[in-house]
Amino acid sequence: GDSVTQMEGPVTLSEEAFLTINCTYTATGYPSLFWYVQYPGEGLQLLLKATKADDKGSNKGFEATYRKETTSFHLEKGSVQVSDSAVYFCALSGGSNYQLIWGAGTKLIIKP
Amino acid sequence: DTAVSQTPKYLVTQMGNDKSIKCEQNLGHDTMYWYKQDSKKFLKIMFSYNNKELIINETVPNRFSPKSPDKAHLNLHINSLELGDSAVYFCASSQGAGYNQPQHFGDGTRLSIL
Repeated sequence: GDSVTQMEGPVTLSEEAFLTINCTYTATGYPSLFWYVQYPGEGLQLLLKATKADDKGSNKGFEATYRKETTSFHLEKGSVQVSDSAVYFCALSGGSNYQLIWGAGTKLIIKP
Repeated sequence: DTAVSQTPKYLVTQMGNDKSIKCEQNLGHDTMYWYKQDSKKFLKIMFSYNNKELIINETVPNRFSPKSPDKAHLNLHINSLELGDSAVYFCASSQGAGYNQPQHFGDGTRLSIL
């Protein structure tokens, strides 16, 4: 079945460091890919999405490119801030099932 | 205006009790979901309704029963609460069931069983 694998956390970085959170997927068909962010004590919010191969989603300085050849959708940001500390979830939809398939989440901790 | 609102935000209760969590969305979406998030932040889909019809019903104890009185509301009733039910429960909504459609989440209901 469809699945999403994210790098395990927590990921701890200093402010202004470069961020990469890896996400790879297994799916039939042509899924859409999403990154959601969950700040402490809140629900999940859509951060960015990409609906077809080679699309780049971007928002708030974060980017991710839909790579069909490597089945990946890695999240990147050039310079992180303390306020980026949160849990990040990679997800896909539209594979063999219309559900959103979720990764396990990666906790990001940014130190000043 | 809160797009997806859940009540209560916190729920502390004794084992064996019955409780309900309510969810309302004002986005005009036709699909709503219940998720359970455990202490390790793992997110598990429980139920989904599209136009008031149940479309996702994952392996969940039958003590959990969803009810959708209309497209804007999806409530979750839990009977005979157990210690393992302690978690954060999230309601979400989307326009259409899945495919390309992002989901909008409420802030969660933190359920603690004593």
